[in-house]
Amino acid sequence: ELKVEQNPLFLSMQEGKNYTIYCNYSTTSDRLYWYRQDPGKSLESLFVLLSNGAVKQEGRLMASLDTKARLSTLHITAAVHDLSATYFCAFRGGSQGNLIFGKGTKLSVKP
Amino acid sequence: DTEVTQTPKHLVMGMTNKKSLKCEQHMGHRAMYWYKQKAKKPPELMFVYSYEKLSINESVPSRFSPECPNSSLLNLHLHALQPEDSALYLCASSQGPFSYEQYFGPGTRLTVT
Repeated sequence: ELKVEQNPLFLSMQEGKNYTIYCNYSTTSDRLYWYRQDPGKSLESLFVLLSNGAVKQEGRLMASLDTKARLSTLHITAAVHDLSATYFCAFRGGSQGNLIFGKGTKLSVKP
Repeated sequence: DTEVTQTPKHLVMGMTNKKSLKCEQHMGHRAMYWYKQKAKKPPELMFVYSYEKLSINESVPSRFSPECPNSSLLNLHLHALQPEDSALYLCASSQGPFSYEQYFGPGTRLTVT
């Protein structure tokens, strides 16, 4: 079965703190995606990770990929309120290149 | 231009209505996707078109009918929908079915009354 497990599903953080979101996926995939979604909005692409050991950083967010463990992480450094959103990881696992999404992590950053 | 456009942004329709959602991209992409997203849930794949041919239909009820008239345009025809079909409908495209990046449109918020 193709599936993605994200945890935690809900995360309430204080500004300035660090935290990590974990994403485990069920089968070999050549790429792993992280998206951000604000309420009522579409998906905004954050990172595409293509190979084992890949690490990408943008601002306070850093994503990494371990293909052997089938694990990706999204690390948040010194959180700010603007990072409040739902974060989805997804892997390309469908037979026609379609994405399989995790359930999402709803992040709330409080002052 | 890395934009996928969708119209309308919002749609309210009755259960006996017929309406269509439209998705357009001018990036030369040859794979286009429809996803359905219910509140507080992840997107779920509905259909994939690859080179204008339907390649995946994820057991979607026949009241949803996709159409790909050309490589830039993807429609989703709606007929006799149910209130539980209310959701955000997202269109996406990629250069090919296994390409690096998948671009999402802004979505159509559909409410069925």
